[in-house]
Amino acid sequence: ETVLTQSPASLSLSPGDRATLSCRASQSVSNYLAWYQHKPGQAPRLLIYDASNRATGIPARFSGSGSGTDFTLTISSLEPEDFAVYYCQQRSNWPPITFGQGTRLEI
Amino acid sequence: EIQLLESGGGLVQPGGSLRLSCAASGFTFSNYAMNWVRQAPGKGLEWVSGTSGSGANTYSADSVKGRFTISRDNSKNTLYLLMNSLRADDTAVYYCAKDRPGDINWFDSWGQGTLVTVSS
Repeated sequence: ETVLTQSPASLSLSPGDRATLSCRASQSVSNYLAWYQHKPGQAPRLLIYDASNRATGIPARFSGSGSGTDFTLTISSLEPEDFAVYYCQQRSNWPPITFGQGTRLEI
Repeated sequence: EIQLLESGGGLVQPGGSLRLSCAASGFTFSNYAMNWVRQAPGKGLEWVSGTSGSGANTYSADSVKGRFTISRDNSKNTLYLLMNSLRADDTAVYYCAKDRPGDINWFDSWGQGTLVTVSS
């Protein structure tokens, strides 16, 4: 099973700041990595797939990079609605599909 | 507009059974693989099970293998999860999730979830 480790566990920033979230895989997942945003009481939302492709309707301030075992989600300038929990997910070595434990982005 | 509406959650005793449903609309259901993903209280997301568009292929996490069965009825645009031998650690919000067009295992649409509580 491919284990995804996200860091930091939580991140405290302000609107307008730049956020950098990391995800490390226990073995190579090539570029088969996605990022999701999850707010309490809502459905998760796909942000990035194939490591760097923005999903439909996702603002350009969200960007993804990396390949192999190290990946980054960057939010260039935080908006108030961006404060949420972010998960990475891999589909390279499945089943099982695995998620990271999440990074909580808070004000 | 794509909609996924889960139902069937509730309180069940350890060892009991429950069947979750996910009613889909707004897309050609049979063209897409579908999955169940859960979130235990205070925990992260965990993939549970997935099925191909036809339903011929199914996959499950080791934690539920032999206890949970995923299935679908494409004539009813509905995804199911039959959960047997439920345990306390199965307590979670269960989401159904649709694959992104042209891809597998990138989940571009999710339901709002249904809560399953396993407790005596």
